[in-house]
Amino acid sequence: GNSVTQMEGPVTLSEEAFLTINCTYTATGYPSLFWYVQYPGEGLQLLLKATKADDKGSNKGFEATYRKETTSFHLEKGSVQVSDSAVYFCALKDSNYQLIWGAGTKLIIKP
Amino acid sequence: DAMVIQNPRYQVTQFGKPVTLSCSQTLNHNVMYWYQQKSSQAPKLLFHYYDKDFNNEADTPDNFQSRRPNTSFCFLDIRSPGLGDAAMYLCATSFNIAKNIQYFGAGTRLSVL
Repeated sequence: GNSVTQMEGPVTLSEEAFLTINCTYTATGYPSLFWYVQYPGEGLQLLLKATKADDKGSNKGFEATYRKETTSFHLEKGSVQVSDSAVYFCALKDSNYQLIWGAGTKLIIKP
Repeated sequence: DAMVIQNPRYQVTQFGKPVTLSCSQTLNHNVMYWYQQKSSQAPKLLFHYYDKDFNNEADTPDNFQSRRPNTSFCFLDIRSPGLGDAAMYLCATSFNIAKNIQYFGAGTRLSVL
């Protein structure tokens, strides 16, 4: 079946460090891929998305590229801030149009 | 401006005492979803409405029910909450199923005593 695998957290970085959160998926066809962010005590917000191979989603300095050949959608940011501390979820939209979620990766940024 | 509003943000109930969580939206979206999210886990879809059509996930317990009286409002009813139902409950909307960019509310954190 369809699935999403994210790197385990927590990921702890210093401010201004480079961030990568790995996400790989298993799916039939060509799913759309998403990154959602959940700040402490809040609901989820769509961070970025990509709908086809080689698409790059970007928002707020975050980027992710849809790599069909490696079935990956890794999240990157060049210089993280304390305010980026949150839980990040990778997800795909399956053929039934439901979101399949990764387990989430907690990101902690230290000043 | 908040587009998906969940009330209350925090709800405390007693074991076995029915509780209702509410969600409203100003986006005029056709689809409304209810998720359960336990600590440090991914959201788990309970059910969704496409307009008035109710779609229950196969593994959603019968203890969970939902109502959608109109486009703007959707309710989650937990008929007899157990300790295992303590969680964050998230409401989300999307314009339609296929587009599926889901917009989430801030959630209601339910405690069961």
